[in-house]
Amino acid sequence: QSVLTQPPSVSGAPRQRVTISCSGSRSNIGNNGVSWYQQLPGKTPKLLIYYNDQLPSGVSDRFSGSKSGTSASLAISGLQSEDEADFFCAAWDDSLNGVVFGGGTKLTVL
Amino acid sequence: EVQLVESGGGLVQPGGSLRLSCSVSGLNFNDYWMTWVRQAPGRGLEWVANIKQDGSHTYYVDSVKGRFTISRDNAKNSLYLQMNSLRVEDTALYYCARVRGRAYFDFWGRGTLVTVSS
Repeated sequence: QSVLTQPPSVSGAPRQRVTISCSGSRSNIGNNGVSWYQQLPGKTPKLLIYYNDQLPSGVSDRFSGSKSGTSASLAISGLQSEDEADFFCAAWDDSLNGVVFGGGTKLTVL
Repeated sequence: EVQLVESGGGLVQPGGSLRLSCSVSGLNFNDYWMTWVRQAPGRGLEWVANIKQDGSHTYYVDSVKGRFTISRDNAKNSLYLQMNSLRVEDTALYYCARVRGRAYFDFWGRGTLVTVSS
């Protein structure tokens, strides 16, 4: 059971917009920044979002992040088939004194 | 170009030990916290440990405390994970990565596979 809760799967048609939620608590998301990672099949995780809503250089602006209270969301607009991947949220947890990940969400582009 | 290359994985029996290494190039290794993250087959990501730039501070996930030790050699631009008393549930692909802002990881290696089995 992961400390951060994500839906196991989401899906959307090409060109649609989908969102992935990440629910935590005050000790993690509530007090700290959230990051998001994309893991394409068989590949290394890639940083998509840091500090809740910041995009690293080179990441498409079709990806966006937000945070409210103890929950965060990743939005992907203009869905493309190559977006099919697993997505993970993460944050520092002040109570555990470590980084916690969500269980991951598998995105299927219909 | 930033490169992180893990090595040292393999098959080990329960109770055994392994030492993982991560060779880093293309960045000022001395300037950054570093981390190990693992992924069991078909499962999600699990953070394992962080280490400060000078090695003076380390943090571990509870499940490895007392069994794993993260360390670094800044002269060799290398990160290590000494794993003792290995358990079947430690079986995973182990990634090293650079830490920014305490808790996000912007550069990752490709991982080294650790299999704990009798």
